[in-house]
Amino acid sequence: DIQMTQSPSSLSASVGDRVTITCRASQSISTYLNWYQQKPGKAPKVMIYATSTLQTGVPSRFSGSGSGTDFTLTISSLQPEDLATYYCQQSYSSPPTFGGGTKVEIK
Amino acid sequence: EMQLVESGGGLVQPGGSLKLSCAASGFTFSGSAMHWVRQASGRGLEWVGHIRGKSNNYATAYAASVKGRFTISRDDSKNTAFLQMNSLKTEDTAVYYCIRPYYDSSGQSYNWFDPWGQGTLVTVSS
Repeated sequence: DIQMTQSPSSLSASVGDRVTITCRASQSISTYLNWYQQKPGKAPKVMIYATSTLQTGVPSRFSGSGSGTDFTLTISSLQPEDLATYYCQQSYSSPPTFGGGTKVEIK
Repeated sequence: EMQLVESGGGLVQPGGSLKLSCAASGFTFSGSAMHWVRQASGRGLEWVGHIRGKSNNYATAYAASVKGRFTISRDDSKNTAFLQMNSLKTEDTAVYYCIRPYYDSSGQSYNWFDPWGQGTLVTVSS
C-alpha cells in the first residue's frame, strides 16, 4: 500500500495568514492526490481533487500543487471558517490511502 | 443532490457482530462502486473496503485489518450497501462512513470521494 505522510500534524495561524500543508507519498502517484476538509463533528468533504482542481463551491483561497511524491495544500488567507483537519488521499492505486491529517487552529 | 445515510451502529461486545447499512439517493446506485472508511476517535481515516457494481460482478476488496471478518454487500433494488462486521475487536471502534467514488460523464470512476455520509458510530467494548 502507498503510505501518505502529512506535515505538520497541527498548526496555529492568524486570520489572514498564508498556510501551507505538505503531503508526501511513499512512491510516485503522478497527480492522483486529493484533499479533504473535516470540520469538528462532521464528515470529511473533498476540497481539491487531482492535485489542483477545486471542487465546486470551494473558495479560491484554497489551492493545491505538486506531482510525483510531494504535494502542497495552500490557504492564501486563512479565515475563521477554515478551522478544521485536512487530509490528503492518494487515488493512484488501490487501496486508497489517507495521510494522518493536519489540524489547523486559529490563533 | 447525492446523499448517503448510514445506520446500524451501536455498542457491541468483543467477538460480536453488527451490520451497518448505507442508504443512497440522488444518483444511479446500481452502477456505482461503494466504499466504507472508518475513523477512530481523534484518529485519521482508514479505508475498510469496497464493492463494485453488477458490471464488475460485485467484486469486493478489503483492508488487511478486516479481511475475513467483514463482508460488504449491496441490494441495488433498495439502493443500499451493507457492511457486515463479525468477530469484532476493540480496535474496530470507530465512526464508519460509506462513500462513493466520483464518476465523470463517460462513466469513468476516480477514487476520490464525494459524497460522504454522516457516519455511524460502532463501539466495541465489554
